[in-house]
Amino acid sequence: DAKTTQPNSMESNEEEPVHLPCNHSTISGTDYIHWYRQLPSQGPEYVIHGLTSNVNNRMASLAIAEDRKSSTLILHRATLRDAAVYYCIIVNSGSARQLTFGSGTQLTVLP
Amino acid sequence: ETGVTQTPRHLVMGMTNKKSLKCEQHLGHNAMYWYKQSAKKPLELMFVYNFKEQTENNSVPSRFSPECPNSSHLFLHLHTLQPEDSALYLCASSQEGRLAELQETQYFGPGTRLLVL
Repeated sequence: DAKTTQPNSMESNEEEPVHLPCNHSTISGTDYIHWYRQLPSQGPEYVIHGLTSNVNNRMASLAIAEDRKSSTLILHRATLRDAAVYYCIIVNSGSARQLTFGSGTQLTVLP
Repeated sequence: ETGVTQTPRHLVMGMTNKKSLKCEQHLGHNAMYWYKQSAKKPLELMFVYNFKEQTENNSVPSRFSPECPNSSHLFLHLHTLQPEDSALYLCASSQEGRLAELQETQYFGPGTRLLVL
């Protein structure tokens, strides 16, 4: 399974954009990149996923490098409610119904 | 009620007790999951049920016993637990459990915070 590397923590100011990086240098051609986040005292929630092209939804944008060895989750205007642990997960045919969570990035949003 | 619900939200039990955690999903999904989240450790998948059949058991000790009577309900029966089993237990569901399809997403409940004394 492709492994991911994320910074342990990041800080952002409220109402500013946040770029959360993820390295996945061993990703294979058919592997999908998923992002989940876990707010305090809650279960994880799905944020976004992609394969090759950049993706946008109401929560965030996902920018995928051309070689797919890294990706960046973009929160366009961080709010205090975006403070959470963000997980980058590679899903492939070998993972067979499993989301393998790493340690993620703890995002702190400063007022 | 919508989404994935879990009860109780908090549970304290002794090592000789027997208790059960309950999960219910109102999303019409066919796959349900139990995860364990210990302090300062990543989430660990415990069990997967797909169309009421157990399809994954990630080497979980027998003191944890899952039950899936139908696609909407999932239980985790606990007996003779150890203090190291104290953790947040999370339930999740997905449409068809075919994460190997690679695009399927999972929906999580709020978890049950378990403390074993």
